[in-house]
Amino acid sequence: SQQGEEDPQALSIQEGENATMNCSYKTSINNLQWYRQNSGRGLVHLILIRSNEREKHSGRLRVTLDTSKKSSSLLITASRAADTASYFCATDTMNTGFQKLVFGTGTRLLVSP
Amino acid sequence: NAGVTQTPKFQVLKTGQSMTLQCAQDMNHEYMSWYRQDPGMGLRLIHYSVGAGITDQGEVPNGYNVSRSTTEDFPLRLLSAAPSQTSVYFCASSKGGVYNEQFFGPGTRLTVL
Repeated sequence: SQQGEEDPQALSIQEGENATMNCSYKTSINNLQWYRQNSGRGLVHLILIRSNEREKHSGRLRVTLDTSKKSSSLLITASRAADTASYFCATDTMNTGFQKLVFGTGTRLLVSP
Repeated sequence: NAGVTQTPKFQVLKTGQSMTLQCAQDMNHEYMSWYRQDPGMGLRLIHYSVGAGITDQGEVPNGYNVSRSTTEDFPLRLLSAAPSQTSVYFCASSKGGVYNEQFFGPGTRLTVL
């Protein structure tokens, strides 16, 4: 079963606007990661946030994590047409017997010029 | 570094045929994994390996076999292809298992007729 669920499923904005995507998960985690996938390509790692962190920045990306609500958000500021892609969150589990990363269903972002 | 490479890029099989999807990485990563990606379902873990000689099942292992004889290579075998295995397959690797950034290959698009 999917650990993470992204919301919204699709998002359409204009260049220069901000894009916010949300991820909810079910069980306690060590880390949460965000990935980007351009059409027809493999996934590219964007940012990793650990369970004891609440916010992390990388360039135009801002990720927050609320472990009490089991949710995370990815904010892309001043979006560009090149940000058009699908975005996925991925979580591990606190069960140290496993080494499994579980991906959500993704948010499709379309940034129009 | 070539990173994570996958071959072939595209493959068409008939029901019942077998084949091996190749995955190789040159980053000396101990953790490697295989995912399949289907429309609307995100990525689902098929099998993973935490080092040479050690493999384990993911969420959807039925119909697939793996082995890990070297650090570099992690082939995925389809024993008797079925139309339900039509999908895009991604291989990934990382240093430090699921607790670090995953590096993805470009994917193999498989169609089973």
